[in-house]
Amino acid sequence: DQQVKQNSPSLSVQEGRISILNCDYTNSMFDYFLWYKKYPAEGPTFLISISSIKDKNEDGRFTVFLNKSAKHLSLHIVPSQPGDSAVYFCAASASTSGTYKYIFGTGTRLKVLA
Amino acid sequence: SAVISQKPSRDICQRGTSLTIQCQVDSQVTMMFWYRQQPGQSLTLIATANQGSEATYESGFVIDKFPISRPNLTFSTLTVSNMSPEDSSIYLCSVVASLETQYFGPGTRLLVL
Repeated sequence: DQQVKQNSPSLSVQEGRISILNCDYTNSMFDYFLWYKKYPAEGPTFLISISSIKDKNEDGRFTVFLNKSAKHLSLHIVPSQPGDSAVYFCAASASTSGTYKYIFGTGTRLKVLA
Repeated sequence: SAVISQKPSRDICQRGTSLTIQCQVDSQVTMMFWYRQQPGQSLTLIATANQGSEATYESGFVIDKFPISRPNLTFSTLTVSNMSPEDSSIYLCSVVASLETQYFGPGTRLLVL
């Protein structure tokens, strides 16, 4: 049972446009969410996080939106740059578990076209 | 943020052998985890490396296959024992700075022939 899902395995966007990466989850106990970017042959790089007490968190070109009722979050990248081409993972955790363990989605490969 | 290094960065091993992967962090951290990313798949948690006690393994992973050591708050090792081609994967250690931040090492790319 995949508790965190990224239904789009790939996405192509023109440079300068907005990239929107989506993530859905099934466990209503999840209350912390992270987004990572991963280049080939490197470890995942932490991008941005959001807790369930918020519905939006912004950091530069990256904004994460959380819709708790829909159990859905999205990462917006504006404007998209060729260097953003990578695989993006969302991850979710339940703070009540006390374990700090995160469940990862399957990833979306973003390609930004110059 | 924490700076994490892993050794080796990659290795090619024969089936039936074992490989120990090291993870070093530049600061003391409480929570340290080991993940696996098989080709084309997501990151799967193997275990939580506990300092001074036995690691806590996730469903599907056992200590005999993936023994873990955590002698102090900055260092951990993961051994992949009696390897088979199915163990070919990227192995990653990660540390938790807070509920909202978790950092990963660069990974160890393992190929088992």
